[in-house]
Amino acid sequence: KNQVEQSPQSLIILEGKNCTLQCNYTVSPFSNLRWYKQDTGRGPVSLTIMTFSENTKSNGRYTATLDADTKQSSLHITASQLSDSASYICVVSDRGSTLGRLYFGRGTQLTVWP
Amino acid sequence: EADIYQTPRYLVIGTGKKITLECSQTMGHDKMYWYQQDPGMELHLIHYSYGVNSTEKGDLSSESTVSRIRTEHFPLTLESARPSHTSQYLCASSRRGSSDTEAFFGQGTRLTVV
Repeated sequence: KNQVEQSPQSLIILEGKNCTLQCNYTVSPFSNLRWYKQDTGRGPVSLTIMTFSENTKSNGRYTATLDADTKQSSLHITASQLSDSASYICVVSDRGSTLGRLYFGRGTQLTVWP
Repeated sequence: EADIYQTPRYLVIGTGKKITLECSQTMGHDKMYWYQQDPGMELHLIHYSYGVNSTEKGDLSSESTVSRIRTEHFPLTLESARPSHTSQYLCASSRRGSSDTEAFFGQGTRLTVV
């Protein structure tokens, strides 16, 4: 069964600190993995995309890693800001269907305190 | 900011009423999707479309229906709303082609059936 598991479920950090969010998946055949940021009451917005051959990708203070062998990804946020408070969702796309089916994790709810 | 719009943003309606959630995108995307998301839970695909006059049911059983008469418009209709339909509904769109293409999400419609 294709699944995406994220940890931790929720996380509280102080402004300026770093944090790392984890994503494990069993989706096969794998196409790509995206991290989305979803602010409360809004739709998700893509932060990064990782394909099979990519190990690391950065987008400003966000750095995503991918280990396709162990089927794990992480999202590292450096120098956190209050505006980083949101749910971070790991989304894995399969290659085995025309739709390019998306499999969603439940998200990690990040709260940044001043 | 993605050019995909959902209306209304919030809706409180009585049991048994018929409702239509609107979704429009101006990006010319062929693929459009409807997802249902409960608080703290993952997104579940309820309907999708590859293009005009193409609609398919998703993974999550839903009593809603959709139509795709125009490329830019993908409304979702509930013939008789029930309290169990209370949820957040997210519309998304993407280009036809490789599964690497990004899905852009609308702001969502928060539906409450009383």
